[in-house]
Amino acid sequence: AQSVAQPEDQVNVAEGNPLTVKCTYSVSGNPYLFWYVQYPNRGLQFLLKYITGDNLVKGSYGFEAEFNKSQTSFHLKKPSALVSDSALYFCAVRDSNFGNEKLTFGTGTRLTIIP
Amino acid sequence: GAVVSQHPSRVICKSGTSVKIECRSLDFQATTMFWYRQFPKQSLMLMATSNEGSKATYEQGVEKDKFLINHASLTLSTLTVTSAHPEDSSFYICSAGGGTGGTGELFFGEGSRLTVL
Repeated sequence: AQSVAQPEDQVNVAEGNPLTVKCTYSVSGNPYLFWYVQYPNRGLQFLLKYITGDNLVKGSYGFEAEFNKSQTSFHLKKPSALVSDSALYFCAVRDSNFGNEKLTFGTGTRLTIIP
Repeated sequence: GAVVSQHPSRVICKSGTSVKIECRSLDFQATTMFWYRQFPKQSLMLMATSNEGSKATYEQGVEKDKFLINHASLTLSTLTVTSAHPEDSSFYICSAGGGTGGTGELFFGEGSRLTVL
């Protein structure tokens, strides 16, 4: 079975400071990892993904994430937070062994950037 | 990126009526679509996997007779909430992939907020 944990329900960061949103995963095979962002009353928007290759993945809006196999983590980061980054962030995983498109989502982390 | 359109974005209905939500992939063909339900301040709960030309696969605990899914074409899946009750009020989101065999991201609709009075 595949699972994702986002240990923080809420993260508050001052504008201009670096931000990190944590994610750990569990799969039986190799993981395919994704980050999505959700704004109020909207669907999810894709930010970035890790499939294979370079452990540091860069995505939309200046976000990046680092795949760490030994720690089974895929934390989302941004060097300098903007107020507009305030939203709900979801980490998701897919097990490469299954060969389908079904994603398992974490419980979400609400990011608030304080002006 | 690929676009998934969901309609209606908001719907209010009386208890006992049925409501249909449409999910369309606008610029790609989707053999598989997914339907999620999201409660306030909670994560997405996968309800079912919609397969074009065949029956949907429902997750454990989801009533298939309550939530009817039809995937009539490669660009359209519908979710019908039958005999809706206030506890069915929720935010429903669909998603579709580009058929990349698992390595691609899913594209999400904008969601449909159902309120049952």
